[in-house]
Amino acid sequence: EVQLLESGGGLVQPGGSLRLSCAASGFTFSSYAMSWVRQAPGKGLEWVSGISGSGDTRYCADSVKGRFTISRDNSKNTLSLQMDSLRAEDTAVYYCAKDLATTALRCLDYWGQGTLVTVSA
Amino acid sequence: HSALTQPASVSGSPGQSITISCSGTSSDVGGYTYVSWYQHHPGKAPKLMIYDVSNRPSGVSNRFSGSKSGNTASLTISGLQAEDEADYYCSSYTSSSTRVFGGGTKLTVL
Repeated sequence: EVQLLESGGGLVQPGGSLRLSCAASGFTFSSYAMSWVRQAPGKGLEWVSGISGSGDTRYCADSVKGRFTISRDNSKNTLSLQMDSLRAEDTAVYYCAKDLATTALRCLDYWGQGTLVTVSA
Repeated sequence: HSALTQPASVSGSPGQSITISCSGTSSDVGGYTYVSWYQHHPGKAPKLMIYDVSNRPSGVSNRFSGSKSGNTASLTISGLQAEDEADYYCSSYTSSSTRVFGGGTKLTVL
């Protein structure tokens, strides 16, 4: 059974940093691309960033480019999102999701339950 | 890439069919087959319902179907059931090597 468990969310001040993690199990982690998707309060889903199965290709939304960095540790089956220079508009539930493909942004077939990030003074 | 355009809400009675549209451009929906649809019950993890325009993952009811014409994709749900009430999002690969979602459609089963 595929399981994705996010952690690391919490309250952070504007301009601060936070690192999210996603522990994956139930599939061959290195064989699939992974993504982070967020949902701000009362808003729709927004794709944030993606990474290929090998970790050598990264994709990023313009809204977080230069501030967020996605990475993965295939030896530990862990996906991470380093978030710097956080803004109030980054407040959202952040979901970790598995892609159906190894390299491309094809579709997200499994999702975690999400972790809440609140950016506020 | 701007968010794909979906109607904010649709509704239908049990047993009826509804269709949700997802409008994009030739740089996303119209240019690629990587169009997918997700069902999201608030507070729960989103669920993949359709991938590659019209394919259903294992375990998804055949009441759900997808299609595409030009720059517009569609999700059709036939034989509406109460448990279908949820938010639905389309998504597409883009020419910028990113993924874009639609704004979401709230489905109400009357």
